[in-house]
Amino acid sequence: EVQLLESGGGLVQPGGSLRLSCAASGFTFSIYAMSWVRQAPGKGLEWVSAISGSGSGDRTYYADSVKGRFTISRDNFKNTLYLQMNNLRAEDTAVYYCAKDHEVAGNYFDYWGQGILVTVSS
Amino acid sequence: DIQMTQSPSSVSASVGDRVTITCRASQGISSWLAWYQQKPGKAPNLLIYAASNLHSGVPSRFSGSGSGTDFTLTISSLQPEDFATYYCQQATSFPLTFGGGTKVEIK
Repeated sequence: EVQLLESGGGLVQPGGSLRLSCAASGFTFSIYAMSWVRQAPGKGLEWVSAISGSGSGDRTYYADSVKGRFTISRDNFKNTLYLQMNNLRAEDTAVYYCAKDHEVAGNYFDYWGQGILVTVSS
Repeated sequence: DIQMTQSPSSVSASVGDRVTITCRASQGISSWLAWYQQKPGKAPNLLIYAASNLHSGVPSRFSGSGSGTDFTLTISSLQPEDFATYYCQQATSFPLTFGGGTKVEIK
């Protein structure tokens, strides 16, 4: 059974940093691209960042809203996805989901974590 | 960036109704489109990928169609568990983008 479990969220002051983790199990983590998707309170879904699977050189992609502030990475030995978030702003307040690329078709998300809340406030 | 526009933003319907939601891309995306269902407080669930392919385990009352810029999600006979918010997402290029969502409410 595929499981994705986010951790590392919480309350942080504007300008602060936070690192989210997503522990994956139930599938061969290394071969799948992974993404972070967020949802501000009462709002829609916003894709944040993606990292390719093994064999593609760990290519990374970012939304313009987080480029230069967030860094996505993965540890295929620990089956864990990360999102380092620096210089956080109030508008980064959201539930953050990690999501696995579809089994056969890229850039679709067939499994999602339960989400973790990040609140940026003084 | 490719903008995704959904309509309507909300729809009121009764159990057994046929419901259609549309999604328009700001430029052609071939069939690179997904539909997700999200219930309050829960993560989204994939329904349809590649515009018309039903994801594993999704009931056959859900169907998707379209290509290029115009797409539709149809629920053929609305069930109580289908009251939720639905999102489209383009998958052709980064940044990946979602539509604003369509809330399906009980009439």
